[in-house]
Amino acid sequence: ETGVTQSPTHLIKTRGQQVTLRCSSQSGHNTVSWYQQALGQGPQFIFQYYREEENGRGNFPPRFSGLQFPNYSSELNVNALELDDSALYLCASSLVLAGVYNEQFFGPGTRLTVL
Amino acid sequence: AQTVTQSQPEMSVQEAETVTLSCTYDTSESDYYLFWYKQPPSRQMILVIRQEAYKQQNATENRFSVNFQKAAKSFSLKISDSQLGDAAMYFCAYGGATNKLIFGTGTLLAVQP
Repeated sequence: ETGVTQSPTHLIKTRGQQVTLRCSSQSGHNTVSWYQQALGQGPQFIFQYYREEENGRGNFPPRFSGLQFPNYSSELNVNALELDDSALYLCASSLVLAGVYNEQFFGPGTRLTVL
Repeated sequence: AQTVTQSQPEMSVQEAETVTLSCTYDTSESDYYLFWYKQPPSRQMILVIRQEAYKQQNATENRFSVNFQKAAKSFSLKISDSQLGDAAMYFCAYGGATNKLIFGTGTLLAVQP
């Protein structure tokens, strides 16, 4: 069973640029959630994708957007990067069934630095 | 809105000793889950233990156990027989109806040999 993978591992961008982060969910999972973890903080929920549709969003501006593909992999896109976007971005996948909560499995994260 | 509070930024324990990490939360939901995650320097978030709110019995996973006090909205983690590999950042997290996780600010645990 392949776990959750993320790419790239590290990324350095300049303020104002755009970035795309990628996540491959664990086999059999249908839901992907993205979290932003600033240095020294706990992860903050960005949004979740279920069956290719956005299914809940945290307190993040519209320049944070995402996609989920038919194979349940996902992308996180951030436009007009700001210095405060520097963080560890975590992807987590889970199998969501009606009325049943299942564990979210996390990937190793992508460290984004905005200069 | 749900909140999770971890009031201990750092804790230290001697190898083979027991340590308890504290967590409180606030919610108006009746059905939810609580979690403790471990994040070592490798950054991978690893689930340590989970507790369903409807279960009165405290969850246990080998050396890890919780003290779940639903009325007090308290959820502490006890690590027995601490090992050097337990050194990491520990996050308490809440999972409710929306299936998103709400994390506390974390407790950095150091294990002294």
